[in-house]
Amino acid sequence: GENVEQHPSTLSVQEGDSAVIKCTYSDSASNYFPWYKQELGKRPQLIIDIRSNVGEKKDQRIAVTLNKTAKHFSLHITETQPEDSAVYFCATRGSARQLTFGSGTQLTVLP
Amino acid sequence: GAVVSQHPSWVICKSGTSVKIECRSLDFQATTMFWYRQFPKQSLMLMATSNEGSKATYEQGVEKDKFLINHASLTLSTLTVTSAHPEDSSFYICSAGLAPSQGTQYFGPGTRLLVL
Repeated sequence: GENVEQHPSTLSVQEGDSAVIKCTYSDSASNYFPWYKQELGKRPQLIIDIRSNVGEKKDQRIAVTLNKTAKHFSLHITETQPEDSAVYFCATRGSARQLTFGSGTQLTVLP
Repeated sequence: GAVVSQHPSWVICKSGTSVKIECRSLDFQATTMFWYRQFPKQSLMLMATSNEGSKATYEQGVEKDKFLINHASLTLSTLTVTSAHPEDSSFYICSAGLAPSQGTQYFGPGTRLLVL
């Protein structure tokens, strides 16, 4: 089955700096790559996603890049704010219909 | 985006009792829903895929007789934890998508289960 690795597990940045979280996957058939933000005790919220036919997608301060050849994709958050502090999960959708999640990254934005 | 609700939001029960959790898609129909379990500071682990009108598909290591799933309509899936034990205490989250082939999944608010 699919194996998704996510790094780093924790990340602290100063407010205004950028944050980058990386994920690698194993299933070459994976074609959908969402990123979720989860605040403590709450549901995961979809923040951005990308499909295999594009290499980059941007939505205001958030961007995702995909390298299908290398089987990795990354989340980029620019001009970070304290409210960006949360756990971020990458996921992939491969041969099966379900999502496989990474282990999560605890992002802390220091004021 | 699509709205998924879950009920109850939290439940405390005694060991040996059964607990039913409901997952509803409020503004769309979902032929497929997914059930996850999340332990503190861990990722979401898929338990099973709920298929409307047919049997659920369970992930390896998940006991189908302990975690009963029923998907009787296009807007409702239920997860029943039978004979719950303290080790079943966890955060249970369901998800559903507008179109399974598109991949986008929206999550319910989750149910926190505490078994005493």
